[in-house]
Amino acid sequence: SYDLTQPPSVSVSPGQTASITCSGSKLGDKYTCWYQQKPGQSPVLVIYQDYKRPSGIPERFAGSNSGNTATLTISGTQAMDEADYYCQAWDSSSVVFGGGTKLAVL
Amino acid sequence: QVQLQESGPGLVKPSQTLSLTCSVSGGSFSSTTYYWNWIRQPAGKGLEWIGRIYTSGSTNYNPSLKSRVIISVDTSKNQFSLKLSSVTAAETAVYFCARGNWFEGGSDGFDIWGQGTLVTVSS
Repeated sequence: SYDLTQPPSVSVSPGQTASITCSGSKLGDKYTCWYQQKPGQSPVLVIYQDYKRPSGIPERFAGSNSGNTATLTISGTQAMDEADYYCQAWDSSSVVFGGGTKLAVL
Repeated sequence: QVQLQESGPGLVKPSQTLSLTCSVSGGSFSSTTYYWNWIRQPAGKGLEWIGRIYTSGSTNYNPSLKSRVIISVDTSKNQFSLKLSSVTAAETAVYFCARGNWFEGGSDGFDIWGQGTLVTVSS
């Protein structure tokens, strides 16, 4: 089975840049999505097709994907960005999610 | 404004079948641009995709659950449903339904989610 690996936690100071990685074999050959989930809420799509932002997602959210690693970058991180983040890709007609990364804004 | 709403029993006995329905309102349910998914999340854990269905009836399932899952669709009611058989306590989770959307450029993502419903598997 295909696995996506994320760091369990990332910390960032307000106003700084946070980077969350997602690793998988030849992940750069696949499209990656990223979801934000706040406690008690449903996930929200923040990045699709590696780097595109759905309508309503702030420009401070950016994505990239190359080689074996996709990265979600949040510039000028705000307190409201504190959440769990999940990467997601398709493999052989099945969806795979990363284990999730808890972003702490300290 | 498209909305998804899960419904079904909140308590299921071990070894029995979990059944949930997702009702879709406010949008074009039968568009070929969309497909309809079930995703679950145990408390404090990550997301697990269960499977998807197009309104044509075409399905794909998580290989680890495939033998126990059936997802069906009722286009007359703008609903799709999940049946998961032989459940165990480990399958206690919040079950979400979500819309899969094919964007321009040939990629997709889950762009609209229901609020989720907690299903507890316990005797």
